[in-house]
Amino acid sequence: SSELTQDPAVSVALGQTVTITCQGDSLRNYYASWYQQKPGQAPVLVIYGKDNRPSGIPDRFSGSSSGDTATLIISGAQAEDEADYHCNSRDSSSKSVVFGGGTKLTVL
Amino acid sequence: QVQLVQSGAEVKKPGSSVKVSCKASGGTFSGSTISWVRQAPGQGLEWMGRIIPIVPIPTYAQKFRGRVTITADNSTATAYMELSSLRSDDTAMYFCARENLWFGELPRTSNWFDSWGQGTPVTVSP
Repeated sequence: SSELTQDPAVSVALGQTVTITCQGDSLRNYYASWYQQKPGQAPVLVIYGKDNRPSGIPDRFSGSSSGDTATLIISGAQAEDEADYHCNSRDSSSKSVVFGGGTKLTVL
Repeated sequence: QVQLVQSGAEVKKPGSSVKVSCKASGGTFSGSTISWVRQAPGQGLEWMGRIIPIVPIPTYAQKFRGRVTITADNSTATAYMELSSLRSDDTAMYFCARENLWFGELPRTSNWFDSWGQGTPVTVSP
């Protein structure tokens, strides 16, 4: 399958830990990458590979993978983390890129 | 890190074509992989295709084959995406992004986009 599935919406209390999941067959062969997108802005890479953060991304963002599921973990969510989060990988049988449908994170 | 700057907003009629540019600076353009990703209003991200300027044979998503053409000009470090036979559902924000592929953390492969253009809004309206 070339699809990645994400929950449409997740909420978290300020300062608590939240997980956002991404599920799909391709994740058995590819790590998911994760992007934060705020309204009217381009996506920003927050996690790539096994669990790597680009320069400037806070260490409260981390990632993990197991089977066909990848998880983005935000430990101690802040108000500025409220955004849409998208995952991506490649389709295992082609060179195409696949994205999840996105998860809207609300920080309460 | 490469910076990507895209051309401005476009308004097109159904059936026409649009060509969006993406100029790179601050990195090695010809050896990079530049992808195009679009996002319809209120929707998720959708990959359209990619090009490696040094090659430069593009790869297209199945959905867009026959309608999209991705090219690159090494002399100006600019990539282009042209979409033809426009329909109202092509109304979207179009992004270019630098794509990376890495095999260094087995058993899985890594694929990610580390630099994005600011986006070009394309509106298709009669």
